[in-house]
Amino acid sequence: QKEVEQDPGPLSVPEGAIVSLNCTYSNSAFQYFMWYRQYSRKGPELLMYTYSSGNKEDGRFTAQVDKSSKYISLFIRDSQPSDSATYLCATTYGGSQGNLIFGKGTKLSVKP
Amino acid sequence: NAGVMQNPRHLVRRRGQEARLRCSPMKGHSHVYWYRQLPEEGLKFMVYLQKENIIDESGMPKERFSAEFPKEGPSILRIQQVVRGDSAAYFCASSPRSQGVGNTIYFGEGSWLTVV
Repeated sequence: QKEVEQDPGPLSVPEGAIVSLNCTYSNSAFQYFMWYRQYSRKGPELLMYTYSSGNKEDGRFTAQVDKSSKYISLFIRDSQPSDSATYLCATTYGGSQGNLIFGKGTKLSVKP
Repeated sequence: NAGVMQNPRHLVRRRGQEARLRCSPMKGHSHVYWYRQLPEEGLKFMVYLQKENIIDESGMPKERFSAEFPKEGPSILRIQQVVRGDSAAYFCASSPRSQGVGNTIYFGEGSWLTVV
C-alpha cells in the first residue's frame, strides 16, 4: 500500500464550480499535511499547510484533515481557469521535515 | 519559489554521460532538499543536505547518484553514467532551518533531464 494515495484525475469542472480534491494516507504517525499547486513545467508552490486534524481556510481554499479516517481534502470555491494545474497533497512525520511524502497529484482543468 | 535557483533548466545527455544539476537556495537558507519527479509519478524525496553535510539520503539510489552542498557555492546533484530511466524533473527545495515544516520549504522551478 502506498503511503499517500491520490486520484490522478483528470478532473474537469466549469468556471465557478466548487472543487474537491482528496488524498488518503496509510501511516497514523503523519502529523503535517500540505497541498501544493504545480503548473506545467514549473516547481510546486505551497498552497496550504495544516497540523493534525481540523480545517484551515485561506481565501477560496479550504484544507481539511481527518486523522481518524486518514483523509485529507482541499476545497476550491468559485474556481477560476487560472486554478487549472496539478494539485499535490503531501505529508511528513515531522522529524526530517524536508522529507515530504507526496501523492501523485490530481490534474484539474477549469473551463471558462 | 523563484528564490530557489536551479540550473540548467533543461539538460540532454546521452546514455553513459554524466549529469550535474545545480541548486542555489534562497538567501538565508542553509538546508537543501532534492526531489525527483518521474513521468506520471509524484515527487519523491532523494536527499537532505546542510552545508558540508548529508543529513538524510534515504531516497537516493544506491549507485550512480551523489549530492553535495559545499561550504561555498551551490548544491550539486550528480548522476553518473545516466540511463534512460533517469529522465525526469529534478527539483531542489530549501528551508531556513530543519524545523521549517512544510510552510517554510520552497521549491525551485526544476531541472528537466532527458537521456537519449
